[in-house]
Amino acid sequence: GAVVSQHPSWVICKSGTSVKIECRSLDFQATTMFWYRQFPKQSLMLMATSNEGSKATYEQGVEKDKFLINHASLTLSTLTVTSAHPEDSSFYICSARGDHSYEQYFGPGTRLTVT
Amino acid sequence: QKEVEQNSGPLSVPEGAIASLNCTYSDRGSQSFFWYRQYSGKSPELIMFIYSNGDKEDGRFTAQLNKASQYVSLLIRDSQPSDSATYLCAVARGKLIFGQGTELSVKP
Repeated sequence: GAVVSQHPSWVICKSGTSVKIECRSLDFQATTMFWYRQFPKQSLMLMATSNEGSKATYEQGVEKDKFLINHASLTLSTLTVTSAHPEDSSFYICSARGDHSYEQYFGPGTRLTVT
Repeated sequence: QKEVEQNSGPLSVPEGAIASLNCTYSDRGSQSFFWYRQYSGKSPELIMFIYSNGDKEDGRFTAQLNKASQYVSLLIRDSQPSDSATYLCAVARGKLIFGQGTELSVKP
């Protein structure tokens, strides 16, 4: 299967600071990337969908000014959590999909802890 | 009614048995269906996808799709303790719509 990487795998930051998470498709061109958040014992929650070169489409209830998404190339998307607060602590997972395909491949996830 | 529904479990089966995981969906126009496995603390891993009615086999896994009844299932033959995980059913409609997942426990 296709390989998607994420960096960092875990991060601890102080309240009020910003954190950037990178998502890369390593062996295919990802025309669409997705960002999810998952709290313990809960299902995946889609935050936003991004297409290369376009603005991201955010799900209802997700603050676009707080969660900045950039999909500048066919292999890289970034999620920046701005002014992070303890309630933003979660497991953030990206996934990527190639053109003419429905299969989505997930990155390993980034565990964010805001103190 | 949720768009994709799964029993949350936990589903417990003995080692070597067949585990049967079920999923129903509400949108009759759905065309593509996926099964993901998620170990605790890890991200989902794609196991199988199925587009056509009938069965699709891959090793110990068989996906079954019945569009008329709007359900898709996953059978795991010769279940192993390492199969213990949460299994997520997903339906593609531009984006993936996930069920809440079924927790499977395979007892040695």
